[in-house]
Amino acid sequence: QTVVTQEPSLTVSPGGTVTLTCASSTGAVTSGYYPNWFQQKPGQAPRALIYRTNNKHSWTPARFSGSLLGGKAALILSDVQPEDEADYHCLLHYEGGWVFGTGTKLTVL
Amino acid sequence: QVQLVQSGAEVKIPGASVKISCKASGYSFTTYYMHWVRQAPGQGFEWMGMVDPNTGKTNYAQKFQGRVIMTRDTSTGTVYMDLNSLTSDDTAMYYCARERGGSLNFDYWGQGTLVIVSS
Repeated sequence: QTVVTQEPSLTVSPGGTVTLTCASSTGAVTSGYYPNWFQQKPGQAPRALIYRTNNKHSWTPARFSGSLLGGKAALILSDVQPEDEADYHCLLHYEGGWVFGTGTKLTVL
Repeated sequence: QVQLVQSGAEVKIPGASVKISCKASGYSFTTYYMHWVRQAPGQGFEWMGMVDPNTGKTNYAQKFQGRVIMTRDTSTGTVYMDLNSLTSDDTAMYYCARERGGSLNFDYWGQGTLVIVSS
């Protein structure tokens, strides 16, 4: 069974930069896994942020970016704002379907 | 504007089935795949499968094969997810989410449908 692992929790100061990662139990994550990233706030449906590794949706704030780092997919938040406090989930594509990451709870403090 | 509107909350007893709908509007219905994803209380997301509204072709996660059926009605722009043999482990929020056909790009999500399985 494929497991996609994210940091359980991270804390960042307002105005700071933080990197969230997404690792696959099958090995290095490449662009061929077509990473997607989502933000979820309490009581809300998820909101898409990034698709196909580093592409932003029209509504994605410029301070969010996606990349591949050290064999993992990464979501980088720059100039973090208080409203960025949320859960973040990655999604990877495998032969036959998709697998979500375990999720990261980001605290802005 | 794009909208995915899901049916309301359901309470089911173990062993029953549930059928959730997701009505799409604001875009070409047959151009986008529809995925179903669930999130158990306090847990992460789990991909259940998808349906191509153009062809009706489906792809289910191995875990749910034999227990889930995803269908679509092109006349109303609605997709359905039918899950049977429910257990308490199926208690979760269920979401539909669209992907432009083959683009591997998830963009819009439904508001979610809570399913509670309890005796």
